[in-house]
Amino acid sequence: EAGVAQSPRYKIIEKRQSVAFWCNPISGHATLYWYQQILGQGPKLLIQFQNNGVVDDSQLPKDRFSAERLKGVDSTLKIQPAKLEDSAVYLCASSLGGVRGTSNYGYTFGSGTRLTVV
Amino acid sequence: AQSVSQHNHHVILSEAASLELGCNYSYGGTVNLFWYVQYPGQHLQLLLKYFSGDPLVKGIKGFEAEFIKSKFSFNLRKPSVQWSDTAEYFCAVKAYNTDKLIFGTGTRLQVFP
Repeated sequence: EAGVAQSPRYKIIEKRQSVAFWCNPISGHATLYWYQQILGQGPKLLIQFQNNGVVDDSQLPKDRFSAERLKGVDSTLKIQPAKLEDSAVYLCASSLGGVRGTSNYGYTFGSGTRLTVV
Repeated sequence: AQSVSQHNHHVILSEAASLELGCNYSYGGTVNLFWYVQYPGQHLQLLLKYFSGDPLVKGIKGFEAEFIKSKFSFNLRKPSVQWSDTAEYFCAVKAYNTDKLIFGTGTRLQVFP
């Protein structure tokens, strides 16, 4: 099966600019996640979608970050305006999800988008 | 709140040496546990996972992990490492009644020939 697709692979922007990342999950996967992985740290969950609804966005810096999942398939994550500390790899993952507690499947991760803010 | 600790930040081994990477989590309820590997320049890949049953879990590439509930631990082991095992290893935990995966800070493993 095709994996989780993300684009772009790399992005360099200046601080205060805006940037958007795109994710296409595995076909049929109801749950989609965006993680931020800062160098030397483990991935941190930013937002979780179930179909096109937000399940958890408690760690999303909402003053500058936004995300949407149109029609419950593709998703975009936007940063506006970007700060130096946003430099990280942004990972998208998907799983079959569904009823809570039954997503007994390994998550599938995309290759990520490496963002450098200068 | 759930959290995951990986105490070994950087491990250096020679080929054929044995490997054990520590992982401890904090959560009082039922959990699902995972080990992921990230090879240089590649995406996260699932090594193994524990949901229930036999606490000794075997994964891909000769890796295994043991869930010790009383110690809140899920250590990763491999009897004989290879140069190709050089990568970053992440332990992760998911509370049984959620879909939220919490990662540890990772352990960087370097294996020298």
